[in-house]
Amino acid sequence: DVKVTQSSRYLVKRTGEKVFLECVQDMDHENMFWYRQDPGLGLRLIYFSYDVKMKEKGDIPEGYSVSREKKERFSLILESASTNQTSMYLCASSPREFSKGREQFFGPGTRLTVL
Amino acid sequence: QKEVEQNSGPLSVPEGAIASLNCTYSDRGSQSFFWYRQYSGKSPELIMFIYSNGDKEDGRFTAQLNKASQYVSLLIRDSQPSDSATYLCAPKTGANNLFFGTGTRLTVIP
Repeated sequence: DVKVTQSSRYLVKRTGEKVFLECVQDMDHENMFWYRQDPGLGLRLIYFSYDVKMKEKGDIPEGYSVSREKKERFSLILESASTNQTSMYLCASSPREFSKGREQFFGPGTRLTVL
Repeated sequence: QKEVEQNSGPLSVPEGAIASLNCTYSDRGSQSFFWYRQYSGKSPELIMFIYSNGDKEDGRFTAQLNKASQYVSLLIRDSQPSDSATYLCAPKTGANNLFFGTGTRLTVIP
């Protein structure tokens, strides 16, 4: 059974705190992704990684950084959390080529609230 | 600028009817298209993908693709209350990225 897990379902942090969101996949996937999902804005890609120690900016990378030291683990870091980073954060993983039925799997999500 | 347009809904259909969900996209380079279903409070799950012009059927679901018109749709036949969810259209862009639309919320009325 394929699985993408995220470290927390709910997280409350204060403005200015450093926040770590962890994601682990057990499918030996090459690609891993971090999205945020907000009402009316849909899923937006923050960062993705196609290999260990490799990272690429997505559509909204500002205010975020990532780390991928091991193939199965992809971390999202908010260096100094702000209230506009309150959102649902979704991690996903996929095989290197995910067309033709080899899909992208999502984790359960972390709802982050920044006060 | 990549854009994926979906009618946000809510789209309401009676149980047993056909639900039609539409999506237009701006990136002519997109070759594969994915439909995800997302129940409230849950993460998205893949239900269909299509990469050739025409129709693709899988059970009660049919995906339709027209690359010339940059249009992809999802039909759900014999709609059930359990189909009530938000449906996300996602063209594959670049090497291995999906660009998601904002989704259409479907409600199937018993």
